[in-house]
Amino acid sequence: EAGVTQSPRYAVLQEGQAVSFWCDPISGHDTLYWYQQPRDQGPQLLVYFRDEAVIDNSQLPSDRFSAVRPKGTNSTLKIQSAKQGDTATYLCASIAAGTGYERLFFGHGTKLSVL
Amino acid sequence: GDSVTQTEGQVALSEEDFLTIHCNYSASGYPALFWYVQYPGEGPQFLFRASRDKEKGSSRGFEATYDKGTTSFHLRKASVQESDSAVYYCALAATSSGQKLVFGQGTILKVYL
Repeated sequence: EAGVTQSPRYAVLQEGQAVSFWCDPISGHDTLYWYQQPRDQGPQLLVYFRDEAVIDNSQLPSDRFSAVRPKGTNSTLKIQSAKQGDTATYLCASIAAGTGYERLFFGHGTKLSVL
Repeated sequence: GDSVTQTEGQVALSEEDFLTIHCNYSASGYPALFWYVQYPGEGPQFLFRASRDKEKGSSRGFEATYDKGTTSFHLRKASVQESDSAVYYCALAATSSGQKLVFGQGTILKVYL
């Protein structure tokens, strides 16, 4: 089966610029996660969806970050006005509801550098 | 909130050395515990899990035993290889965290010939 696909692989921008990350989950996976992974740290959950519904976005900085999954398939994570502290790798993961985390698959991530 | 603590930030070993990476957790109830491995330029990959006290999880020669008494899930391998070099993450999933995966800080393992 095809894996989780993310694009772009890398992004470099100045503070204040906007950026969007795109994720195509594994076909049939109704649950999709976005994680932020700062350098030399573990992944930290930002938001997750079941189908098109946001289940938990409590860790998403709502003033600058937004995430959508309009048709319950692909998802976009957007940073409206990037800050240097947003420098991190952004990981997307997907799973079919009701299956164990051994069936959770991550994409390669998008590495963001904010100068 | 729920949390996972990995004591070692980085471990450097020679091939055939014994590996231990310490993992302690804090969560109410009975969380499921996991080990993930991450190679450069890739996302984390599931290694194995354990769901109840005294259960041992294992994969590829790595193993860990769920210890509710000490709230630990230490990763061990008897003889490491250079190809084991990667970042290892301990994680938990608990009802108190909405069944979301909560990761530790990670431990960088470097194995030298």
